[in-house]
Amino acid sequence: AQSVTQPDIHITVSEGASLELRCNYSYGATPYLFWYVQSPGQGLQLLLKYFSGDTLVQGIKGFEAEFKRSQSSFNLRKPSVHWSDAAEYFCAVAPSSASKIIFGSGTRLSIRP
Amino acid sequence: EAGVAQSPRYKIIEKRQSVAFWCNPISGHATLYWYQQILGQGPKLLIQFQNNGVVDDSQLPKDRFSAERLKGVDSTLKIQPAKLEDSAVYLCASSLAALGTANYGYTFGSGTRLTVV
Repeated sequence: AQSVTQPDIHITVSEGASLELRCNYSYGATPYLFWYVQSPGQGLQLLLKYFSGDTLVQGIKGFEAEFKRSQSSFNLRKPSVHWSDAAEYFCAVAPSSASKIIFGSGTRLSIRP
Repeated sequence: EAGVAQSPRYKIIEKRQSVAFWCNPISGHATLYWYQQILGQGPKLLIQFQNNGVVDDSQLPKDRFSAERLKGVDSTLKIQPAKLEDSAVYLCASSLAALGTANYGYTFGSGTRLTVV
């Protein structure tokens, strides 16, 4: 079955530290891949997306993600987090030939002062 | 450009009552989606419209949920009668792509938080 897995439910990092949020998917072909961020009481905002080409994708707010086909992963990274990055982060995928986006269960990021 | 507008922001109803949510997508966006996000979970697609036609409603509990998108613009999602497990945030999203492909990603509204008591 097609699925998206975010193995970390909650992560806490210190302000200024680096961040990596994990995402794994199970699809036959290379899907379209997304990372969204959701602040409390807000809708989801697109951070970045990957369709093809360079496997390292740059997004907004200093985030980047790397697609690794061999590991079926699309991990999100940021070299130095800010207190304003505290939010819920969702990895999402869509099969190449389908239109709907399927979301993972999310990772809640807390920032330690 | 204006974003995806949703109303109301919050709604509290008793079980077995009915409720309706409204969504106004970004102008020109042909594809509209309704997602249900239960606390602690990722959003789950309920229904997808392409203009005013339904593309995918396989996850919509049709015995109690209904949705329409008259004239291919605004959309309403209705629950009748509501159950306790319907408590969630209902998110509307729209996409520019005519076929609703994932190429363009979605723009989400802020959602409607429904509490059923």
